[in-house]
Amino acid sequence: DAGITQSPRYKITETGRQVTLMCHQTWSHSYMFWYRQDLGHGLRLIYYSAAADITDKGEVPDGYVVSRSKTENFPLTLESATRSQTSVYFCASRNSSYNEQFFGPGTRLTVL
Amino acid sequence: AQSVAQPEDQVNVAEGNPLTVKCTYSVSGNPYLFWYVQYPNRGLQFLLKYITGDNLVKGSYGFEAEFNKSQTSFHLKKPSALVSDSALYFCAVRDRNSGGYQKVTFGIGTKLQVIP
Repeated sequence: DAGITQSPRYKITETGRQVTLMCHQTWSHSYMFWYRQDLGHGLRLIYYSAAADITDKGEVPDGYVVSRSKTENFPLTLESATRSQTSVYFCASRNSSYNEQFFGPGTRLTVL
Repeated sequence: AQSVAQPEDQVNVAEGNPLTVKCTYSVSGNPYLFWYVQYPNRGLQFLLKYITGDNLVKGSYGFEAEFNKSQTSFHLKKPSALVSDSALYFCAVRDRNSGGYQKVTFGIGTKLQVIP
């Protein structure tokens, strides 16, 4: 089915472990985004990508790494997870011709 | 720097009554404005947007919003609330005059509770 998917939907990990969250979209949208959603903070941008092999930092990039070798995939890696990275993570995409973003269903990450 | 304010953490309204969810914004240039809705354990869904033209914008599920440039507001409205409208609502702004990526800033969200 067309759309934007995220995996896993739920993840529990331990401090210091590496975790990768996956995001896949089938629209061939140019722009892709990673946000985290925390109570009292709303949505905060972690990283974004304007096209394959083009990525840039958002508001809260520390502790995260991204890559985008293919247009449809935009994985987010926590290199050494910390408790402060416990959050709900949303991937989104946007076509450069349109203005609204389309969001995935989210990944709830718990770091113990 | 651009910003969005949603002054109410929660709005309670009786089913069948009109509802308003408030949003004010600040940008250095001209804004693109958006409303999104989030149901529990789901991602954000686009509701409506203001790009240019008519200040009254109509969107999905009977929602509408009015762009008021002098008051820098973009309040979300619906004439008759449904229990199924209960959700978290986010206002967002982009500065159309900024080049390149055109960052979107989201408000912190307003929880709408429609009481049967």
